[in-house]
Amino acid sequence: DAGITQSPRHKVTETGTPVTLRCHQTENHRYMYWYRQDPGHGLRLIHYSYGVKDTDKGEVSDGYSVSRSKTEDFLLTLESATSSQTSVYFCAISELGGRDLYFGPGTRLTVT
Amino acid sequence: AQSVSQHNHHVILSEAASLELGCNYSYGGTVNLFWYVQYPGQHLQLLLKYFSGDPLVKGIKGFEAEFIKSKFSFNLRKPSVQWSDTAEYFCAVKMNNNAGNMLTFGGGTRLMVKP
Repeated sequence: DAGITQSPRHKVTETGTPVTLRCHQTENHRYMYWYRQDPGHGLRLIHYSYGVKDTDKGEVSDGYSVSRSKTEDFLLTLESATSSQTSVYFCAISELGGRDLYFGPGTRLTVT
Repeated sequence: AQSVSQHNHHVILSEAASLELGCNYSYGGTVNLFWYVQYPGQHLQLLLKYFSGDPLVKGIKGFEAEFIKSKFSFNLRKPSVQWSDTAEYFCAVKMNNNAGNMLTFGGGTRLMVKP
């Protein structure tokens, strides 16, 4: 398995609080992605990074921000969590940009 | 907007039955195609992928998929399913028109195999 870890693995938080999820890789891959998984919607891309400090929006980026200050870490922040952001969040990495996507174990986030 | 459709949301089969899961996409350009599997409680794993060449692709665990360009389809097949194939299956497409090299996923098909 590719060396990808996500933390925390589970989190319950209240509406309006900030939340940061961390993705850490040991593969030195260039591309990193944050997806959310919801029943019936499959996986939808939130944000992605194509290098240190290089990030861009995906299809469901509203309410989320990201940062990548080091190759190995990609942080996803919910500035003010809402119940609609209750989901399972997956980080993925790729060396060749989509041709070899490897997923982390996921973070289950519940916003009450 | 480009999209990926998986028409079957839930499929229930008995062991040894044949499987075919549909996947269609809406994009007229060059694509890379993938099937991922997610076993209960686990993360997504790559089953197989198509970039170019032979449109019939063989993957792990006896799965195969056929790319039919004229139908914009990449259906997943397995001749004889096992109970251990119970999982959710996702089709994904990389449409070679975006700078971010992003994959677009279908909504998933949940397969249950009865022993």
